[in-house]
Amino acid sequence: EDQVTQSPEALRLQEGESSSLNCSYTVSGLRGLFWYRQDPGKGPEFLFTLYSAGEEKEKERLKATLTKKESFLHITAPKPEDSATYLCAVQVSGTYKYIFGTGTRLKVLA
Amino acid sequence: DTGVSQNPRHKITKRGQNVTFRCDPISEHNRLYWYRQTLGQGPEFLTYFQNEAQLEKSRLLSDRFSAERPKGSFSTLEIQRTEQGDSAMYLCASSRGGSRTDTQYFGPGTRLTVL
Repeated sequence: EDQVTQSPEALRLQEGESSSLNCSYTVSGLRGLFWYRQDPGKGPEFLFTLYSAGEEKEKERLKATLTKKESFLHITAPKPEDSATYLCAVQVSGTYKYIFGTGTRLKVLA
Repeated sequence: DTGVSQNPRHKITKRGQNVTFRCDPISEHNRLYWYRQTLGQGPEFLTYFQNEAQLEKSRLLSDRFSAERPKGSFSTLEIQRTEQGDSAMYLCASSRGGSRTDTQYFGPGTRLTVL
């Protein structure tokens, strides 16, 4: 069965303390892997799309990487405004739906 | 692009009542998706439209749920005879389509509370 697992469930960082979030997946065929940010009470906001192992994408303090079994979202020198839930989703070959993980709740303390 | 819009943003109803939600996708996006999200969980796929055709439905979508996209533009999701377990955030997303670029953009969601 296609599955997406995110870790840790929650993460507290001091401002400036870099870290990484993990998304591991087991799918029959990967069409794409997506990272979203979600603030409380709002819809997910698109961050990155990754298609193949070895691919990397960067945006401000965020960098996403992809291997054949997992993806990492690296956060460099985070700020309090980076506090949110980060969701990982995969799109399986032959379908257009996303399968989401349960997310990592990030809290960055000033 | 003005983004995906959803109405209403919040809905409180009594058990057994019917509710309908509306989603307006980004213009010219031909794919539209509905997801459901409960507290502490990631969004869970419900159904998918390409233009006006409903091409995929989750096994989780009971016969009390129905979705339409009559002219390939906006979509509605109706829940009949609501139950307390239907309380959740209902999210709509749209994508442009194409062989590879299929990034889904989400609306703000409709929060349903069933009393």
